[in-house]
Amino acid sequence: SQQGEEDPQALSIQEGENATMNCSYKTSINNLQWYRQNSGRGLVHLILIRSNEREKHSGRLRVTLDTSKKSSSLLITASRAADTASYFCATDTGGFKTIFGAGTRLFVKA
Amino acid sequence: EPEVTQTPSHQVTQMGQEVILRCVPISNHLYFYWYRQILGQKVEFLVSFYNNEISEKSEIFDDQFSVERPDGSNFTLKIRSTKLEDSAMYFCASSPFAGVDNEQFFGPGTRLTVL
Repeated sequence: SQQGEEDPQALSIQEGENATMNCSYKTSINNLQWYRQNSGRGLVHLILIRSNEREKHSGRLRVTLDTSKKSSSLLITASRAADTASYFCATDTGGFKTIFGAGTRLFVKA
Repeated sequence: EPEVTQTPSHQVTQMGQEVILRCVPISNHLYFYWYRQILGQKVEFLVSFYNNEISEKSEIFDDQFSVERPDGSNFTLKIRSTKLEDSAMYFCASSPFAGVDNEQFFGPGTRLTVL
C-alpha cells in the first residue's frame, strides 16, 4: 500500500449523519493534513495535525492521529449536502514534499 | 483573504509543444509547490521550491519539466515537449512555513489538455 491511503473509497450518508473517513500511512511524519476537493475544483485545506498531537477540532471537523498505528481519522459531524466532495489526507514526511492519498468520495443526500 | 491564483484555467496544446503554467502565490509565502492530478486519480507531488531553487522533486519531474520564479510574484511550471499523458490538472500551492506547520494553500488549478 502507499503512503496516505484513505478508506472507505466512497461513502454515502444522509444529511445530519456523521461521516468518518480514515487514513493510513507507512513512514513517520511531521504532520498530517486533510483537504477537501469539490468536483473539478481546487483543494481546500481543512485541518493540519502535528505528529505530537492526538486530536484537533475545527468547527464540525474532528481529526485524530495515532502515530503508533500510523493512522488518522476525519469525522464530520451533522453532515450537510454541501459537504459532498472528495476528502484527501496528505502527509509531510519532513522534506519539502507532501504525499496525498487516493481520497474518499463523500456523498451527502439531502 | 489572500489566495493563490493560476492562469490559464484551461490550456489546450498539441503534443510536442511547450507550455508554461503560471501561478501567483500568496505574497508573504516562502515555499512553493506544483502538483498534478490526472482525471479521477490522486494528487501527485511534482516539485517544491524555496529560496530560488528546487528543494525536492518527484520521479515524475523529469528533464521535460522546469520551474522558475522570474520575479517577486510569479511561479511558473514549464513543460518543454508535451506528451498525451501530461494531460491533467496542475495545481500550484504555497506555504509560509516548512516542517511541522507546513499548511499549503492551493490555487484553483490549470486543466492541461494535450492533443
